[in-house]
Amino acid sequence: GDSVTQMEGPVTLSEEAFLTINCTYTATGYPSLFWYVQYPGEGLQLLLKATKADDKGSNKGFEATYRKETTSFHLEKGSVQVSDSAVYFCALRRGFSGGYNKLIFGAGTRLAVHP
Amino acid sequence: DSGVTQTPKHLITATGQRVTLRCSPRSGDLSVYWYQQSLDQGLQFLIQYYNGEERAKGNILERFSAQQFPDLHSELNLSSLELGDSALYFCASSVGSGGTDTQYFGPGTRLTVL
Repeated sequence: GDSVTQMEGPVTLSEEAFLTINCTYTATGYPSLFWYVQYPGEGLQLLLKATKADDKGSNKGFEATYRKETTSFHLEKGSVQVSDSAVYFCALRRGFSGGYNKLIFGAGTRLAVHP
Repeated sequence: DSGVTQTPKHLITATGQRVTLRCSPRSGDLSVYWYQQSLDQGLQFLIQYYNGEERAKGNILERFSAQQFPDLHSELNLSSLELGDSALYFCASSVGSGGTDTQYFGPGTRLTVL
């Protein structure tokens, strides 16, 4: 069945360091891919998405490119800030128009950024 | 703030009891989704409703049930609670039912079963 695998955390970085969080998926067809972020004590927020191969999603300095050939959707940011400390979830969407829609999540990767 | 509201924020109860979690979707959204986030299972899809109808089911236990009302709010009922049901329960909503709609999540209800 469909699944998402993320690198295990925690990832600990100093402020202004480069961030990569790896995400790979297993799925039939061409699912849409997402990164959600969960700040301490809060719900999930959509960070970025990509709906087809070679699409690049970007938001707030974060980027991820949908790579069909490697079934990957790695999250990157050039310079992290303390405020980026959170748990990051990679997810794929299964569904069809007019039908249903469900997200399959990876285990989450905790990021801690120190000043 | 996503516009999705969930009540209560925290719930503490005992094994064997029954609880109801409530979700109000964003204005204009017709789909509601329920997810469970636990330490051992991670984030798992439970169920989707669209305009009052069940559209998709995930790993939802038979002790759990949900419904979506005419005003589009949804309730998740958990009965015969076990210690392992302790988790964060998220509701999400989207405009339509299908595979192109983005889901927006509420802040969650933290359930603790003692």
